[in-house]
Amino acid sequence: KQEVTQIPAALSVPEGENLVLNCSFTDSAIYNLQWFRQDPGKGLTSLLLIQSSQREQTSGRLNASLDKSSGRSTLYIAASQPGDSATYLCAVRLGDSNYQLIWGAGTKLIIKP
Amino acid sequence: AAGVIQSPRHLIKEKRETATLKCYPIPRHDTVYWYQQGPGQDPQFLISFYEKMQSDKGSIPDRFSAQQFSDYHSELNMSSLELGDSALYFCASSSWTSMGNEQFFGPGTRLTVL
Repeated sequence: KQEVTQIPAALSVPEGENLVLNCSFTDSAIYNLQWFRQDPGKGLTSLLLIQSSQREQTSGRLNASLDKSSGRSTLYIAASQPGDSATYLCAVRLGDSNYQLIWGAGTKLIIKP
Repeated sequence: AAGVIQSPRHLIKEKRETATLKCYPIPRHDTVYWYQQGPGQDPQFLISFYEKMQSDKGSIPDRFSAQQFSDYHSELNMSSLELGDSALYFCASSSWTSMGNEQFFGPGTRLTVL
């Protein structure tokens, strides 16, 4: 059974720092992995999607990497800003014909001005 | 750009009542997903539809049912509501033509059962 873990559960850093969020999964047979952002009480915003055949994806100050063999993905945020404060969740999709996402519990990120 | 629309945004019901949540996917998206997110928890997959047919089923209670209509909108019907059904319900949509069937989420419906 696929399990997704995100460590740490919470992270607080000063504005301007570069930071890395971690996501690990137990079964390397994934179809793709998505990183999401969720503001308190709000919806989920898709940040990046990495296909199982890809190693990384970039969007602006965000870079996500995927290492299937070790069951790990990282989300790198460059030059953090207070507006980046949110909960970041990763989710894996199991297969081509399996539509559901298996979610991590998220990392709550606070960027201090 | 058009996003996933969910209605209502907030809903308050009493125990044992019924509720219907609606989801309007992004235009030309053919797949709809429903998720339930309890307080402080990660989203739990309930059910999905592709081209109006159920494509996958997760932890959806028997008291709940869902369908996708000819215009691709979807409705989640919830009966005999329980206190534990209080949660944020997300709908997401995707298109098989987009890379990896990336799922785009709506703003959610916050259901409170009293």
